[in-house]
Amino acid sequence: DTAVSQTPKYLVTQMGNDKSIKCEQNLGHDTMYWYKQDSKKFLKIMFSYNNKELIINETVPNRFSPKSPDKAHLNLHINSLELGDSAVYFCASSQVGGSSGANVLTFGAGSRLTVL
Amino acid sequence: GNSVTQMEGPVTLSEEAFLTINCTYTATGYPSLFWYVQYPGEGLQLLLKATKADDKGSNKGFEATYRKETTSFHLEKGSVQVSDSAVYFCALISGATNKLIFGTGTLLAVQP
Repeated sequence: DTAVSQTPKYLVTQMGNDKSIKCEQNLGHDTMYWYKQDSKKFLKIMFSYNNKELIINETVPNRFSPKSPDKAHLNLHINSLELGDSAVYFCASSQVGGSSGANVLTFGAGSRLTVL
Repeated sequence: GNSVTQMEGPVTLSEEAFLTINCTYTATGYPSLFWYVQYPGEGLQLLLKATKADDKGSNKGFEATYRKETTSFHLEKGSVQVSDSAVYFCALISGATNKLIFGTGTLLAVQP
């Protein structure tokens, strides 16, 4: 019954490789996000999609490419991985303008990427 | 731009001690304010929220009051437990950006 699920949970790879992280939500939310958490626990938004349209694109290297095949899925593809890409990547979803009156994000458990 | 500043950690307390984690913000307009908690090895969970001035968010014994005059949203709990050990993040969303901006996080360690 996981609300926001990400795969894989752990990913260890070599510099220069290309890898993808998948995210799915079963909450019926219309907006999904990718956040990056660095080794000091700092969280920064990378991308956001609303109904499959990109609405937030922070200053992220273009090696990172999000893809949203439908509003329940938001995948993150990373080309030519670098050491500095090592981090925990969190997917999240929300329903903008929901009944709670605030945009509450529900997060996945995270995907820890280690680049060697 | 919008930003959140929270106290540096780690905060180490004994069980049943009183907890305060300070959080202040800078934002245009009237942001919604949140506290998220991250237990070891897990994702973030919403702990509490407040959407307008003077609102008090509360959950699991934690409380925070939206103070517009001091642009603050300090987290408090009267008696912490070992199970409260986690990283606590203050955050805001302002305007139409739908961009949740986090503070740097504060690690809380509660000792028996």
